[in-house]
Amino acid sequence: ETGVTQTPRHLVMGMTNKKSLKCEQHLGHNAMYWYKQSAKKPLELMFVYNFKEQTENNSVPSRFSPECPNSSHLFLHLHTLQPEDSALYLCASSPRQGLANEKLFFGSGTQLSVL
Amino acid sequence: AQSVSQHNHHVILSEAASLELGCNYSYGGTVNLFWYVQYPGQHLQLLLKYFSGDPLVKGIKGFEAEFIKSKFSFNLRKPSVQWSDTAEYFCAVNAFEDTGRRALTFGSGTRLQVQP
Repeated sequence: ETGVTQTPRHLVMGMTNKKSLKCEQHLGHNAMYWYKQSAKKPLELMFVYNFKEQTENNSVPSRFSPECPNSSHLFLHLHTLQPEDSALYLCASSPRQGLANEKLFFGSGTQLSVL
Repeated sequence: AQSVSQHNHHVILSEAASLELGCNYSYGGTVNLFWYVQYPGQHLQLLLKYFSGDPLVKGIKGFEAEFIKSKFSFNLRKPSVQWSDTAEYFCAVNAFEDTGRRALTFGSGTRLQVQP
């Protein structure tokens, strides 16, 4: 148990659907991250929030829209996705982005399938 | 449920020492195995991966890992560490479950500190 909870664990959606992924951390951290892991590919960083401000967008298509209402919650809103967006989406948190001894705590991920 | 254990939480070595970080997983089915590294102030990056074939996998920066199926292990090694190897190392397992769905599990990480 890492203290980072993601829901849902699994999601199947059509290309015209709108859905959201949720991440919540109970660690008192101030930085939160979205990562994507596609089949047989390494983990890809998508977005970073530090103290509720977005600090990184790794050239992610606009059909993925992150939201960070407070330091404990992170959402990823999905709309008009493509089948190639099917992947495991991981949330992580850390005390603060950029610290020398920063350690990431990962959630268990949401397995997304786009039909 | 599957789990990944990294028994060494904090390792301190001198430069040129040899490194071996342990990783054991509990899942008995088909697995893909990864080592990720996070350098200070940076995000995770892939060090090496194993999907199939030769169980001895070579990665970037002189790292290698050996998949020993009978021991459920995927230990990371480097013959001679450098100060720049100071980082947090994560082992991860991507397992193929009976239902066909995959779940990625990370170990808790090992902090490596290399002293000049």
